[in-house]
Amino acid sequence: AQSVAQPEDQVNVAEGNPLTVKCTYSVSGNPYLFWYVQYPNRGLQFLLKYITGDNLVKGSYGFEAEFNKSQTSFHLKKPSALVSDSALYFCAVRDTDFKAAGNKLTFGGGTRVLVKP
Amino acid sequence: DTEVTQTPKHLVMGMTNKKSLKCEQHMGHRAMYWYKQKAKKPPELMFVYSYEKLSINESVPSRFSPECPNSSLLNLHLHALQPEDSALYLCASSQGLLGPSGSALSYEQYFGPGTRLTVT
Repeated sequence: AQSVAQPEDQVNVAEGNPLTVKCTYSVSGNPYLFWYVQYPNRGLQFLLKYITGDNLVKGSYGFEAEFNKSQTSFHLKKPSALVSDSALYFCAVRDTDFKAAGNKLTFGGGTRVLVKP
Repeated sequence: DTEVTQTPKHLVMGMTNKKSLKCEQHMGHRAMYWYKQKAKKPPELMFVYSYEKLSINESVPSRFSPECPNSSLLNLHLHALQPEDSALYLCASSQGLLGPSGSALSYEQYFGPGTRLTVT
């Protein structure tokens, strides 16, 4: 079975400081990993994904994520946070082992990011 | 255009009412999804359509009835709902949902803004 953990319910950071949102995963095969952001009363917006290749993935709005296979992690990062980055962030995983994944995307519990001016 | 639209934005219905939620995408995607999301929780998968056929039903109660009239449209028919069904209902689409080859599993899903449903 596939699973995702986001160990922090909330992350507080000052504007201009680096932002990190943590994500760890568990799959049977190799993972496809995704990050989504949700602003209040909105749907989820796709930020970036890891499929294969370079462990550092760059996405929308200046976000990037680092895939670490040995630590089974896919942490989201932004070098300099903005107040407008305040939102709910979801990590998601899909196992490349089709029999294990069943075509489903599994979401983490979400991390609320609050960027203070 | 990476837009998924949903109507209505808000819906209030009584427990004896029948209503429908609508979702539309014009990205040529062949997989479409319904999710239910409670406040501050991750989305919970309800149904998946692949090439206009129901592919996954996550044991959803029969008071929720999905329909995929064509490759661009996805409906969710609601009847005799309970107050605990109040939630944000999200529609999503992705390029494809193929079988054991696995290649389509890398496709990201694009979400609509959701319908905020309140059952009174």
